Amino acid sequence: NAGVTQTPKFQVLKTGQSMTLQCAQDMNHEYMSWYRQDPGMGLRLIHYSVGAGITDQGEVPNGYNVSRSTTEDFPLRLLSAAPSQTSVYFCASSALPGSSYNEQFFGPGTRLTVL
Amino acid sequence: RKEVEQDPGPFNVPEGATVAFNCTYSNSASQSFFWYRQDCRKEPKLLMSVYSSGNEDGRFTAQLNRASQYISLLIRDSKLSDSATYLCVVTRRNDYKLSFGAGTTVTVRA
Repeated sequence: NAGVTQTPKFQVLKTGQSMTLQCAQDMNHEYMSWYRQDPGMGLRLIHYSVGAGITDQGEVPNGYNVSRSTTEDFPLRLLSAAPSQTSVYFCASSALPGSSYNEQFFGPGTRLTVL
Repeated sequence: RKEVEQDPGPFNVPEGATVAFNCTYSNSASQSFFWYRQDCRKEPKLLMSVYSSGNEDGRFTAQLNRASQYISLLIRDSKLSDSATYLCVVTRRNDYKLSFGAGTTVTVRA
């Protein structure tokens, strides 16, 4: 199993550009989520999904869109990049929170810089 | 007030020492508690879940104090390889959102 994969690993964008961060998991997990991690602030939840076709907002959703057309894939789209979106982005998957075993498995992260 | 707060440290300890630190949470409806470990510029990985009765995993001991709303992590006989940032994670009942603390940095020196 590859676990959780993310692409790209690094990305530099100019203000106003759009792009999609890819995330895929091969563990048949229902729950997938996107976080951003900034110094001193920990991981903050952007969007999450509890299954194909179901998404919801997290703590910091503005400027980001997600979709979940399959169980495996959960792409994160930046609509119009801003310097404030410079961060490290992690995708994670697990069984549904609240189930008896719901370890979060994280991808390796995408380091995004917006100029 | 942040939902989950941690002392950022850093805790600098010699090899073989014991180090302990806490994480406080503000929502009394919090249900599940975890410690994750994050190495520099890497993804977080589960270290251990925290059970109501407290639990050990080798040199690591986790405790939960619901009355005072905090969890703790104690590392005995510290190794150089324990140097990392330790993240506290809390989930609430009937809520799919996980809340992460900002992390406590531990540096073990030879």
